[in-house]
Amino acid sequence: EVQLVGSGGGLVQPGGSLRLSCAASGFTLSNYWMHWVRQVPGKGLVWVSAINNDGSATTYADSVKGRFTSSRDNAKNTLYLQMNSLRAEDTAVYYCAGGDSTWLAYWGQGTLVTVSS
Amino acid sequence: QSALTQPRSVSGSPGQSVTISCTGTSSNVGAYNYVSWYQQHPGKGPKLMIYDVSKRPSGVPDRFSGSKSGNTASLTISGLQAEDEADYYCCSYAGSYTLVFGGGTKLTVL
Repeated sequence: EVQLVGSGGGLVQPGGSLRLSCAASGFTLSNYWMHWVRQVPGKGLVWVSAINNDGSATTYADSVKGRFTSSRDNAKNTLYLQMNSLRAEDTAVYYCAGGDSTWLAYWGQGTLVTVSS
Repeated sequence: QSALTQPRSVSGSPGQSVTISCTGTSSNVGAYNYVSWYQQHPGKGPKLMIYDVSKRPSGVPDRFSGSKSGNTASLTISGLQAEDEADYYCCSYAGSYTLVFGGGTKLTVL
């Protein structure tokens, strides 16, 4: 069974940093593009970032460019999202998802990030 | 990176068909045949229902179908069932390996 388990979320002050992890099981990470998608509770999905199979290419939404960095360790079957200079508007549930560059077939359970003083 | 436009809500009775539209621009929906659709039940993660405009992943009922014309993509659900009640999101490739989602549509099965 495919499982993507997110961790690392929590409460952080504005301007602070947080690193999210997404551990894959029953799923070979290196076979897929991976994405981060966020959702403010009660609101819609917003694409955040993508990283290609070997981690050599990353892309970001304009709202997080220069502040967030996606990376992956295929040997550990784990995806990461380093989030710096966090703002209140970054508060959301963050999902990791795997698939192709254009679709997301496998989704994690989401991890909540709250940016507040 | 403006969100794609979806109706906020649609509804239908069991057995009926409903269509959810997703309007983008010539830079995303109109430019590529890479529209996907996701179903999300309350408190759950999204589920891929359609990819590449009209392809269904294994396990998705053939009651779900997708199409595209110009800058607008559509998801049609035929033979509505109670378990189809959920939020639905479209998503389009927007070039340079970026994606954009729609605002989401709440489907109510009456």
